[in-house]
Amino acid sequence: GDSVTQMEGPVTLSEEAFLTINCTYTATGYPSLFWYVQYPGEGLQLLLKATKADDKGSNKGFEATYRKETTSFHLEKGSVQVSDSAVYFCALSDSDYKLSFGAGTTVTVRA
Amino acid sequence: SAVISQKPSRDICQRGTSLTIQCQVDSQVTMMFWYRQQPGQSLTLIATANQGSEATYESGFVIDKFPISRPNLTFSTLTVSNLSPEDSSIYLCSVEGHDRASFNEQFFGPGTRLTVL
Repeated sequence: GDSVTQMEGPVTLSEEAFLTINCTYTATGYPSLFWYVQYPGEGLQLLLKATKADDKGSNKGFEATYRKETTSFHLEKGSVQVSDSAVYFCALSDSDYKLSFGAGTTVTVRA
Repeated sequence: SAVISQKPSRDICQRGTSLTIQCQVDSQVTMMFWYRQQPGQSLTLIATANQGSEATYESGFVIDKFPISRPNLTFSTLTVSNLSPEDSSIYLCSVEGHDRASFNEQFFGPGTRLTVL
């Protein structure tokens, strides 16, 4: 079945550092890929998405590119801020709309 | 995007009792989903609820433990029955996007934090 493998955390960074969170997937079809974010005390929000190979999703300075050849969707941000401290989830959805989530990566950005 | 509310936001329950969680959406949607997020863990899909039909449960989840209602296109309830401490989790409902821009996306409610003593 479909599955998502996500880089384990926690990750601690200084402000303005470069952030990468690795995500790879296994799927039988042609899934859509997502990054969701959960800020402290808040609900789950969609950060970005890509629906087909080579698509790049971007939002709030974060980017991720759908790489079919490596079955990956790594999240990157060039210069993180304290406000980026959150739990990040990689997820995929196949044709039935169901979401399969990765384990989540806790990111803490220190001033 | 859809605006989703859940009630209650949190509750503390005794083992053996049940808790019913409500999910209200500000627009009509075909599919609603219920997820569980156990402490420090990722989200796991419990079931998919379509209006007018029985909910479809994922492996490891059964209707007797997690009965779901879906009386109309804007509302659903999830009941967690015969509670045990292992049921302590955050329960979230979500709905699918219903326009081209939100194709294949899901929008999540704020969650219900359940603690079972």
